[in-house]
Amino acid sequence: EVQLVESGGGLVQPGGSLRLSCAASGFTFSGSPMNWVRQAPGKGLQWISVISSGSDTIYYADSVKGRFTISRDNSKNTVYLQMNSLRAEDTAVYYCAKKVPGNNPFDHWGQGTLVTVSS
Amino acid sequence: EIVMTQSPATLSVSPGERATLSCRASQSVANNLAWYQQKPGQAPRLLIYDAFTRATGIPARFSGSGSGTEFTLTISSLQSEDFAVYYCQQYSQWPPLTFGGGTKVEIK
Repeated sequence: EVQLVESGGGLVQPGGSLRLSCAASGFTFSGSPMNWVRQAPGKGLQWISVISSGSDTIYYADSVKGRFTISRDNSKNTVYLQMNSLRAEDTAVYYCAKKVPGNNPFDHWGQGTLVTVSS
Repeated sequence: EIVMTQSPATLSVSPGERATLSCRASQSVANNLAWYQQKPGQAPRLLIYDAFTRATGIPARFSGSGSGTEFTLTISSLQSEDFAVYYCQQYSQWPPLTFGGGTKVEIK
């Protein structure tokens, strides 16, 4: 069974930093691109970043480019999201999601972790 | 960036009735279109991919159609567990991967 378990969320002040983790199991992690998607309270879904299976290809949404960094450790079956210079508008539930390589949808999602940016 | 637009924002339907949800892309996405269901406090769940293929374990009352820029999700006979928010998403041209704003299906 595929499992994605996020952790690391919490309350942080504007301008602060936070690192999210997503521990994966039940599939060949080293062969799967991994994504982060967020959802602000009461709002829709926003894709924010993807990392290829070998970390050689990384993309970000414009809203987080230069502030967030995605990475992965295939030996630990874990993907990370380092979030710096956080703003109030980054407040959201952050989901990790896997997809099959290529033009494919997100076939499995984690349960999400809440990040609140507030003073 | 491909913009995805869903309509209506809210759909009020009685149990047992049919629900029809629409999704429009700002440019062609071929059939690279997925539908997700999200219930309160839960992560999204993949329902339909490649515009009309049901994901594993999804009941046959859910069906998808369309290609290019116009897509439809139909729920043939709404069950109580189907009241939720539904999102479409394109994966044809990315980054960025983009979602529609969602349609909330509520009990009439």
